[in-house]
Amino acid sequence: AQSVTQPDIHITVSEGASLELRCNYSYGATPYLFWYVQSPGQGLQLLLKYFSGDTLVQGIKGFEAEFKRSQSSFNLRKPSVHWSDAAEYFCGINSGGSNYKLTFGKGTLLTVNP
Amino acid sequence: EAQVTQNPRYLITVTGKKLTVTCSQNMNHEYMSWYRQDPGLGLRQIYYSMNVEVTDKGDVPEGYKVSRKEKRNFPLILESPSPNQTSLYFCASSSNRVGYTFGSGTRLTVV
Repeated sequence: AQSVTQPDIHITVSEGASLELRCNYSYGATPYLFWYVQSPGQGLQLLLKYFSGDTLVQGIKGFEAEFKRSQSSFNLRKPSVHWSDAAEYFCGINSGGSNYKLTFGKGTLLTVNP
Repeated sequence: EAQVTQNPRYLITVTGKKLTVTCSQNMNHEYMSWYRQDPGLGLRQIYYSMNVEVTDKGDVPEGYKVSRKEKRNFPLILESPSPNQTSLYFCASSSNRVGYTFGSGTRLTVV
C-alpha cells in the first residue's frame, strides 16, 4: 500500500526566509508525486508534480521540489517566502497504475511572520 | 473554464435526514473521487470512480454512497447522516494522472 508522511505538522518562518517542507513516501516503485496548497477557506491547488525525468521540478508561485529516490522523499522548497504563502501544504502520491488513487499526507501548516 | 463544481458550499442538517452533495466536472475526465478533510487527519478518500458505472470504495466509505451514471457527475449520498460525518468534503477529477483538479469544498455539519 502507498503512504505519505509529512513529519512537520506546523512550521513558522519569517517573510523572506527560505522554506523546506518535508515529504516521505512509502511505495515499492517510483510513484507519481504531487504537492498541493490549501489557503484558508479554499480548495486545493496543484503546485507541482513529478512523473519521471528531471528530479528537480519547478512549480507555480516560485516553488520547486526535488525527488530523491534513495531517500523516498519529495521535499518542497522556496528560496524566499512571502506572507501570501501562509497556507496548508499537502504532499500526495499516486502509484501510477490503472488505479488513479491519490493518497495524501496529513499536511503541514505554514505560518509566515512579518 | 475547466473546473469541478460542488454544491452546496455549506450545509447544516439533522441526524438521519438523507442528503446529496453534487459534483460536476467539465473536463471530460474519466476519474472522479470524493475526499473528506478533518483536522489532524488530512484528506481521506471516501469513494472513487474510474469511469461511468465503475465505482469503488476508498479508505473511509462507511455511511456514504455514490453513483456515476454520467461521466461529468459524481454525487455523494449520505442516506442517514450522523454527527461523525461533520466534515469538509472535496470532489476531485483527473485524466491521465496529469494532476487532480479539486472542487471548492462542501462544509457539512450534522447536528
